[in-house]
Amino acid sequence: NAGVTQTPKFQVLKTGQSMTLQCAQDMNHNSMYWYRQDPGMGLRLIYYSASEGTTDKGEVPNGYNVSRLNKREFSLRLESAAPSQTSVYFCASSEFRRYTFGSGTRLTVV
Amino acid sequence: DAKTTQPPSMDCAEGRAANLPCNHSTISGNEYVYWYRQIHSQGPQYIIHGLKNNETNEMASLIITEDRKSSTLILPHATLRDTAVYYCIVYHSGAGSYQLTFGKGTKLSVIP
Repeated sequence: NAGVTQTPKFQVLKTGQSMTLQCAQDMNHNSMYWYRQDPGMGLRLIYYSASEGTTDKGEVPNGYNVSRLNKREFSLRLESAAPSQTSVYFCASSEFRRYTFGSGTRLTVV
Repeated sequence: DAKTTQPPSMDCAEGRAANLPCNHSTISGNEYVYWYRQIHSQGPQYIIHGLKNNETNEMASLIITEDRKSSTLILPHATLRDTAVYYCIVYHSGAGSYQLTFGKGTKLSVIP
């Protein structure tokens, strides 16, 4: 039972480059989320998708876009990466407010 | 959603019970208390949740005071693998509120 799968696990980008973080869940959950976590900090919500076909901004959406491709997949795109986006990114899905998180993508922007 | 207050860090001897407090004095009647933990930069892991009554599962027990203004997560026999950051989150049960809001949590260190 895979749960929530994130790819890639590690990535180094140069300032200005773009990339897409992929997330897929196999639990048939309606809701999916993207969080970022900076050193010594709690998780902050970037975007979420309450159900297939809908997306909404969270606490820190600037510099990001998302796509809910289908019920399973929710991707996060950085159009023009900046050093301030160096962070660990977590995808999660939920049913009845019980969240399951992926193992994270560690992104460094140089 | 109600705000929570947790101590920044705690120590616990291996094999002893770990009692992690959480204050949520502004909690409203339909808000649940959830606990998650994060082990060394892994994704957070769900532990337990409750509304009014005390709850127990295979991982932990959750004790909620009668006035619901505070709660305690109990790990009955802490092991080294329980070293983690523990997050107490109060979450609205109504439709339209989907986001978990994480604070800084309590860093629990289990000591041999």
